[in-house]
Amino acid sequence: DTAVSQTPKYLVTQMGNDKSIKCEQNLGHDTMYWYKQDSKKFLKIMFSYNNKELIINETVPNRFSPKSPDKAHLNLHINSLELGDSAVYFCASSQRGQETGSPLHFGNGTRLTVT
Amino acid sequence: EDQVTQSPEALRLQEGESSSLNCSYTVSGLRGLFWYRQDPGKGPEFLFTLYSAGEEKEKERLKATLTKKESFLHITAPKPEDSATYLCAVRRGAQKLVFGQGTRLTINP
Repeated sequence: DTAVSQTPKYLVTQMGNDKSIKCEQNLGHDTMYWYKQDSKKFLKIMFSYNNKELIINETVPNRFSPKSPDKAHLNLHINSLELGDSAVYFCASSQRGQETGSPLHFGNGTRLTVT
Repeated sequence: EDQVTQSPEALRLQEGESSSLNCSYTVSGLRGLFWYRQDPGKGPEFLFTLYSAGEEKEKERLKATLTKKESFLHITAPKPEDSATYLCAVRRGAQKLVFGQGTRLTINP
């Protein structure tokens, strides 16, 4: 009965590789997000999709490309991985967008390590 | 620039020892302050939303309060299972949530 699930949980890869992280939510929410949590534990939003439409695109390198095939799925593809991309990436969803104050429901994160 | 600062960074308490965590923010036109709990290896879990100064919310041993410049998360008679990182986030207008760096709380039995 997992609400927001993301795979893989751990991802270790070398610089220059391309990798993807998948996310699915079974809550029936309209809005999904990708957040990055750095080593100091700060959570920063990267992208937000509402009903498959991109609504927030933070200052993120264009090596990061989100894709939402339907409103229950939001994947993150990263090209040409760099050491600085190492972090924990969280997928989240909410009933409505963040502007309404709807609480976020987070997945358990994907720890990406770039060597 | 909107800022959220949480203090202390880490707090160690004995079981039953009550205390408070602080979240101070600089944002004009606050449209919501959120508290989340994060366990190691897990995603943040929503606790409370506060919208206006003077508002309070309670859940079990936790009580969140809000003033115009800060929020407190009071924990009364904590138990070891309350050990976690507590995150505060603010929302202004139609913009994204801005998170603080969290307070790592450890409750010793």
